[in-house]
Amino acid sequence: SQQGEEDPQALSIQEGENATMNCSYKTSINNLQWYRQNSGRGLVHLILIRSNEREKHSGRLRVTLDTSKKSSSLLITASRAADTASYFCATDATGANSKLTFGKGITLSVRP
Amino acid sequence: GAGVSQSPRYKVTKRGQDVTLRCDPISSHATLYWYQQALGQGPEFLTYFNYEAQPDKSGLPSDRFSAERPEGSISTLTIQRTEQRDSAMYRCASSLAGQDEQFFGPGTRLTVL
Repeated sequence: SQQGEEDPQALSIQEGENATMNCSYKTSINNLQWYRQNSGRGLVHLILIRSNEREKHSGRLRVTLDTSKKSSSLLITASRAADTASYFCATDATGANSKLTFGKGITLSVRP
Repeated sequence: GAGVSQSPRYKVTKRGQDVTLRCDPISSHATLYWYQQALGQGPEFLTYFNYEAQPDKSGLPSDRFSAERPEGSISTLTIQRTEQRDSAMYRCASSLAGQDEQFFGPGTRLTVL
């Protein structure tokens, strides 16, 4: 079963624009993690936000978490062509032995 | 090691054969996870280890799937009597401890003919 649902399913933007991706989930969590997957390659960990945190930054990435709405957003500022990839949110649900439940992913295309 | 490694990277086998996939986690990491990822989907949890203990096997699809981590480092995932529906990317991840970032290996692409 896939708890996290990302929105939109696909996003196409121009280089330099910001990209916002959303994730909703169903149960209480310990943390939420965002991953990037380039075509045919591995999953790269981007950022982890814990349930008691509301916002976190890492370089051009900004993640927010609203546990009351059970949602998170990933903002990529000043996008680059190299940001083209699939992005997944994954939740570590409370009592779930730290196993991650992934959504189906968002396909981001950044046009040069 | 510098990162999580998996072998082989690609495996093609015939239906009915057994396959064993290997994962070598980051050396300081206590926790190791196995996931299965179908094309166009996110990874789905199979099982995990805390050192050599295997507290959760709930994601294994059938009793044809088993995993080991006998010395608390390298792990293997074995699929017996493979079926075509077992074709997928099998990903291994490790973390320092539970509830930490999980770092993924490159995966093993399994194709069952």
